[in-house]
Amino acid sequence: IAGITQAPTSQILAAGRRMTLRCTQDMRHNAMYWYRQDLGLGLRLIHYSNTAGTTGKGEVPDGYSVSRANTDDFPLTLASAVPSQTSVYFCASSEEGFTNEKLFFGSGTQLSVL
Amino acid sequence: GQQVMQIPQYQHVQEGEDFTTYCNSSTTLSNIQWYKQRPGGHPVFLIQLVKSGEVKKQKRLTFQFGEAKKNSSLHITATQTTDVGTYFCAGNTGNQFYFGTGTSLTVIP
Repeated sequence: IAGITQAPTSQILAAGRRMTLRCTQDMRHNAMYWYRQDLGLGLRLIHYSNTAGTTGKGEVPDGYSVSRANTDDFPLTLASAVPSQTSVYFCASSEEGFTNEKLFFGSGTQLSVL
Repeated sequence: GQQVMQIPQYQHVQEGEDFTTYCNSSTTLSNIQWYKQRPGGHPVFLIQLVKSGEVKKQKRLTFQFGEAKKNSSLHITATQTTDVGTYFCAGNTGNQFYFGTGTSLTVIP
């Protein structure tokens, strides 16, 4: 089934540890995004990539890094996790990255940093 | 600060009652999208509005875009238990989408 796959589904992490959230899409979409969802704050953009080889910062990029080595994969790395990074993380994609395109979301990763 | 505000944050309705969520932006929007997230699920695209004053309908759902392109609403007529979830607007300021804070809808059978 075409779509976006995120892994892991959930993770409990000790503060200070490094963690990579994986995201893979098979729709050949050029643009990919990482959002975090927190109660009362909605979805906030962390980083994005409009095409393979390029990335950009969103609203809340601090403490996170991304890479886009190819079209399909867009991993999100927390270099040294802190409790404030406890959240649900969604990866999303769109065809070309234009702001009139709909977003397709993965199923999310629930991350708890203790 | 939050670019797009959404109210109410929570809404409980009796099945069959109507429901409305409102989305307001401090800046003029190029377009606005609406998404629905079922409990435990991920956001799913519902619709996009582009024109000033635009109204679109999807069965019992009516979406409106304000004349000034700074606000939008989603109205559900005669809610059903399948409408349960969180509804998000996402406003496009021209170079980025900002999601609203979402309205969580509970439908009491």
